[in-house]
Amino acid sequence: GAVVSQHPSRVICKSGTSVKIECRSLDFQATTMFWYRQFPKQSLMLMATSNEGSKATYEQGVEKDKFLINHASLTLSTLTVTSAHPEDSSFYICSARERGREDQPQHFGDGTRLSIL
Amino acid sequence: AQSVSQHNHHVILSEAASLELGCNYSYGGTVNLFWYVQYPGQHLQLLLKYFSGDPLVKGIKGFEAEFIKSKFSFNLRKPSVQWSDTAEYFCAVNEDSGYALNFGKGTSLLVTP
Repeated sequence: GAVVSQHPSRVICKSGTSVKIECRSLDFQATTMFWYRQFPKQSLMLMATSNEGSKATYEQGVEKDKFLINHASLTLSTLTVTSAHPEDSSFYICSARERGREDQPQHFGDGTRLSIL
Repeated sequence: AQSVSQHNHHVILSEAASLELGCNYSYGGTVNLFWYVQYPGQHLQLLLKYFSGDPLVKGIKGFEAEFIKSKFSFNLRKPSVQWSDTAEYFCAVNEDSGYALNFGKGTSLLVTP
């Protein structure tokens, strides 16, 4: 089946550091990738939608200068948390819509647990 | 705007008990409905989905869900739970496959031996 790989799976870094998270579709092309955030004991909240070759669409309340999203190819989207602070600590999950099978459910990555000290 | 409501935040059951987790959504148009499961330390997995057709949907691991349009509900059921069903369960909705999913807050299920 279709696989979405996220890297890294876990990252711990100091406050003020910028962190890049990769989301790759390994065996399919992804027309759209979604980035979600999950706080402990809470649900997934959509942060942004990215389409290959165009600017990401951010949800209300999500700072686009803080969470930089690049979707340069049909198999890779990156989320960069710039100047991360402890309140950015969370679980970040991406999902991807498969090109040619857009009517099927999205494929989710394993997630990245980000901890800012 | 769409909203998804899961009524039970924490459920504790003994093995072999029957399970029903409630899910209601607010959107009045055509929707796609999903149940996902997240086992401890693992990623989200799709349990089952409803796009159209038979409102009773069977998924993996013996789970099923029934779409009742008049009640805007999509409750998840399993006749007999196992210890390995201990996980977080999320109901999700989107109005079109092209859109992101709108998730409920999740229900934490603990099955005791």
